[in-house]
Amino acid sequence: GAGVSQSPSNKVTEKGKDVELRCDPISGHTALYWYRQSLGQGLEFLIYFQGNSAPDKSGLPSDRFSAERTGGSVSTLTIQRTQQEDSAVYLCASSLFGVAGAPPDTQYFGPGTRLTVL
Amino acid sequence: GENVEQHPSTLSVQEGDSAVIKCTYSDSASNYFPWYKQELGKGPQLIIDIRSNVGEKKDQRIAVTLNKTAKHFSLHITETQPEDSAVYFCAAQKSGDKIIFGKGTRLHILP
Repeated sequence: GAGVSQSPSNKVTEKGKDVELRCDPISGHTALYWYRQSLGQGLEFLIYFQGNSAPDKSGLPSDRFSAERTGGSVSTLTIQRTQQEDSAVYLCASSLFGVAGAPPDTQYFGPGTRLTVL
Repeated sequence: GENVEQHPSTLSVQEGDSAVIKCTYSDSASNYFPWYKQELGKGPQLIIDIRSNVGEKKDQRIAVTLNKTAKHFSLHITETQPEDSAVYFCAAQKSGDKIIFGKGTRLHILP
């Protein structure tokens, strides 16, 4: 079946511009996660959705970052007034039940969006 | 909260030899331990996982062992091949909490 998809695959923008990154989770997955990965680094948690609600936004680096999820499916991560330090790969993952599930379930990742801020 | 330490950060092994990557975790309530492989330019892909009710799991050339007493788990890759070159991430999670990833191990398979 189809996996997690993300668009665009690459985005180059100028400092100060706003960007929107899109994630389409696996059909039927109730949970969706956003991570950031700087060059050669690990996975930095940004935000987690259970359905359309975001019970954990603790990883968003600043108020320039926001995310929403509609219809329990597609999610958009928006970065306003981009800065050079925002350059990274933004990864999305989804899982069937999410954090509320017991026991924990597997997260499946998309290919990522590589964001470059000039 | 949970903390996951992963070692080594870089590992080079001769093709055909075995590779071992080790992780430790801090929260004894963690009960799910997946391993992901990330190739260049791609997202992480699950390669194997283990739950706290078993001590070892194997899938062809890949195996994972879990020592709950010592709170550590390891990934073993035997008969390594060039396509095993990638970054590997371990992770730990407990029910009702978000997953915590290690910082990754860059594995180089030398010809």
